[in-house]
Amino acid sequence: QKEVEQDPGPLSVPEGAIVSLNCTYSNSAFQYFMWYRQYSRKGPELLMYTYSSGNKEDGRFTAQVDKSSKYISLFIRDSQPSDSATYLCAMSEGGATNKLIFGTGTLLAVQP
Amino acid sequence: GAVVSQHPSRVICKSGTSVKIECRSLDFQATTMFWYRQFPKQSLMLMATSNEGSKATYEQGVEKDKFLINHASLTLSTLTVTSAHPEDSSFYICSARPPRVAGEQYFGPGTRLTVT
Repeated sequence: QKEVEQDPGPLSVPEGAIVSLNCTYSNSAFQYFMWYRQYSRKGPELLMYTYSSGNKEDGRFTAQVDKSSKYISLFIRDSQPSDSATYLCAMSEGGATNKLIFGTGTLLAVQP
Repeated sequence: GAVVSQHPSRVICKSGTSVKIECRSLDFQATTMFWYRQFPKQSLMLMATSNEGSKATYEQGVEKDKFLINHASLTLSTLTVTSAHPEDSSFYICSARPPRVAGEQYFGPGTRLTVT
């Protein structure tokens, strides 16, 4: 079993739809949870960063962390074609090394 | 947000030669930088953790003599692929962690290496 599981998709939605992306994990020591967006042939861009459980909202993006269920989500409201990309969840225990463990990424296509 | 640059963005080299990739944190000092490798349609695979002023820590299965990492200053880390072979062709991405920030890492734009 992988430490972080993420549905690779692809996920295709119409413009304006609400998108839900999810990851599950097995390591209860993870404390820091991130969502990255990666366009083709580019480096990942940090979208959302959450410490421990709870919700965080930034514009059209909402990140949720449920540590009791070991489950994190990213919601995108009013999705746009420019949101089409691969979304990677990443987690870390923190500490000195701060190693990130990534999900496999979900490819999202928002159709105009 | 924090900015990380990489150079070159793309490099083509012949088998047997060495290639150096630079990673710079432009607006913050990074005591720790990370090097990843990404194959097409796959996620990022951590290769090594680079600490300023000390030896890099390599992940299991990564040859430290092949992938030389130097973190000479708080804003620069370099990855040298020595005696490159076609199987080393990949997308190499670095990231850096701002000081006194737990968890967050900011990524460079990546370097696409093609070994012919």
